[in-house]
Amino acid sequence: KNQVEQSPQSLIILEGKNCTLQCNYTVSPFSNLRWYKQDTGRGPVSLTIMTFSENTKSNGRYTATLDADTKQSSLHITASQLSDSASYICVVSAGGSQGNLIFGKGTKLSVKP
Amino acid sequence: EAGVAQSPRYKIIEKRQSVAFWCNPISGHATLYWYQQILGQGPKLLIQFQNNGVVDDSQLPKDRFSAERLKGVDSTLKIQPAKLEDSAVYLCASTRDLTLEKLFFGSGTQLSVL
Repeated sequence: KNQVEQSPQSLIILEGKNCTLQCNYTVSPFSNLRWYKQDTGRGPVSLTIMTFSENTKSNGRYTATLDADTKQSSLHITASQLSDSASYICVVSAGGSQGNLIFGKGTKLSVKP
Repeated sequence: EAGVAQSPRYKIIEKRQSVAFWCNPISGHATLYWYQQILGQGPKLLIQFQNNGVVDDSQLPKDRFSAERLKGVDSTLKIQPAKLEDSAVYLCASTRDLTLEKLFFGSGTQLSVL
């Protein structure tokens, strides 16, 4: 069964600190892995998209890593800001023309002053 | 470029009533999705359109949910009759090509069924 598991479920950090969110997946066939940021009351916004051959991709203070052998990904946030408070969703595409996206439940990050 | 537009933003109805949601995707995006997101969960696909044709509606509760995209642009999602468990955010998303393209989401319609 195709699944995407994220940890932790929630996380509270102080402003300026770094944090790392985890994503483990069992999806086959694998096409690509995406990280989305979802602010409260808004739709998800794409942060990164990585294919099988990519093992790291950055978007500003966000850096995603992918280990296709262990089927794990992480999202590292550097020097957190209050605006980073959001849910972060890991999404794996099972490929094919239809895309077949498998969504994780997300990690809820709260950045406190 | 303009984003994915959805309306209404919020809707409160009583169980057994009907409700409809509207979505206008980004211009040129052939693929349109409706997702249901229950609080604390990731989005769950309800239906996927390619232009005005249905690609995947395997998770759409067809006894009460219906969706259409008549001219291959705007789309409507309807629930009739609504149940308490339909309370969720309904997200519309669009993309040109899902292979490696971003999926753009609207802000969603938050539905509360009382």
